[in-house]
Amino acid sequence: KAGVTQTPRYLIKTRGQQVTLSCSPISGHRSVSWYQQTPGQGLQFLFEYFSETQRNKGNFPGRFSGRQFSNSRSEMNVSTLELGDSALYLCASSLERTDNNSPLHFGNGTRLTVT
Amino acid sequence: AQSVTQLGSHVSVSEGALVLLRCNYSSSVPPYLFWYVQYPNQGLQLLLKYTSAATLVKGINGFEAEFKKSETSFHLTKPSAHMSDAAEYFCAVRGGADGLTFGKGTHLIIQP
Repeated sequence: KAGVTQTPRYLIKTRGQQVTLSCSPISGHRSVSWYQQTPGQGLQFLFEYFSETQRNKGNFPGRFSGRQFSNSRSEMNVSTLELGDSALYLCASSLERTDNNSPLHFGNGTRLTVT
Repeated sequence: AQSVTQLGSHVSVSEGALVLLRCNYSSSVPPYLFWYVQYPNQGLQLLLKYTSAATLVKGINGFEAEFKKSETSFHLTKPSAHMSDAAEYFCAVRGGADGLTFGKGTHLIIQP
């Protein structure tokens, strides 16, 4: 069974631009979560989608948004990029919603660099 | 709200020695606890999870962790370190409807 796939692996953008990251979950998984990883802040929860609905959201500004499609694939969008948005963005999928102890399966991430 | 504290941002052990990575958590509700490992340029891989069925949890690659409620700890151990164990290890807790809360991570260094 294929794992979680994130595209692209690397991305370089300029301040003020916007970016869209893509995530394909493991087949059969209905929940997709997004995390931001930086050296200073570590791993921080962005949001979780289940059955095309955002279920939970972390403490990030409205510039960070996402959506989930009927096939469970998810996209994350960051508008008006800032230098501080440079990070590794990790997508994780699980069979069910993560509040019932379903483990997360992570992709290899998208490395975003904002210049 | 929940939080995780991992003691020691870097831990160095000799190959064949005991590995002990410390994790203490805080949660207002009975927690779900996890250990993940991250190799360079990769995502996180689940090592093990606490399910309340047993306080000693066995995971992959010879790792295990013991849940101690009285100490609010969930330390990760491995009897004999291998060079391939060198990686970043994260303890995580989920205590409600929010996403996982991760510790800052411990970088495990294996000395030959």
